[in-house]
Amino acid sequence: GQQLNQSPQSMFIQEGEDVSMNCTSSSIFNTWLWYKQDPGEGPVLLIALYKAGELTSNGRLTAQFGITRKDSFLNISASIPSDVGIYFCAGQINTNAGKSTFGDGTTLTVKP
Amino acid sequence: DVKVTQSSRYLVKRTGEKVFLECVQDMDHENMFWYRQDPGLGLRLIYFSYDVKMKEKGDIPEGYSVSREKKERFSLILESASTNQTSMYLCASSPPGVGEQFFGPGTRLTVL
Repeated sequence: GQQLNQSPQSMFIQEGEDVSMNCTSSSIFNTWLWYKQDPGEGPVLLIALYKAGELTSNGRLTAQFGITRKDSFLNISASIPSDVGIYFCAGQINTNAGKSTFGDGTTLTVKP
Repeated sequence: DVKVTQSSRYLVKRTGEKVFLECVQDMDHENMFWYRQDPGLGLRLIYFSYDVKMKEKGDIPEGYSVSREKKERFSLILESASTNQTSMYLCASSPPGVGEQFFGPGTRLTVL
């Protein structure tokens, strides 16, 4: 099946710093999604991207759907301690079936 | 609010036991999914279902089966549990045509 390469695998940053993570694929996706998983919980959607080139913001979070449809990035500005968690990218070919391919995740640690 | 519930947060079973993991969603979603999550490996799809009594294999179906007798309930079955099935199991649901999946809190299964 398709594979997503998500990087970095982990990040240790100081509170207030900006964060950037990305996903790349050898296959084209029609939808890109970014999720966050808090410790002991299931992932929750942060941002969904449906169009190549789309740039979408959600508070301090900004994500972009790459022009080639094979990549996406997520930026977090001015990180705070509650940003700690695992961030997953996911790609979909067909939203009707809802089947997603997930990246391996980026574990973010924020030092106060 | 969409709610996806899983029958247990923590489960300890012995090698060879038959294990049932239950998932219930309350938003009338057609699509339901079972994933396992292991450190550094992201979310790997075990099985998914897009309708009652319908099921499709995901990327790692070996050693698992599923049942979907009612729209709101999707069960994951380990016919004969083995130690390499020790993992976090996540259930999710989604309506058709929408990229977002809604996740349950997960079941941490330990097989001794």
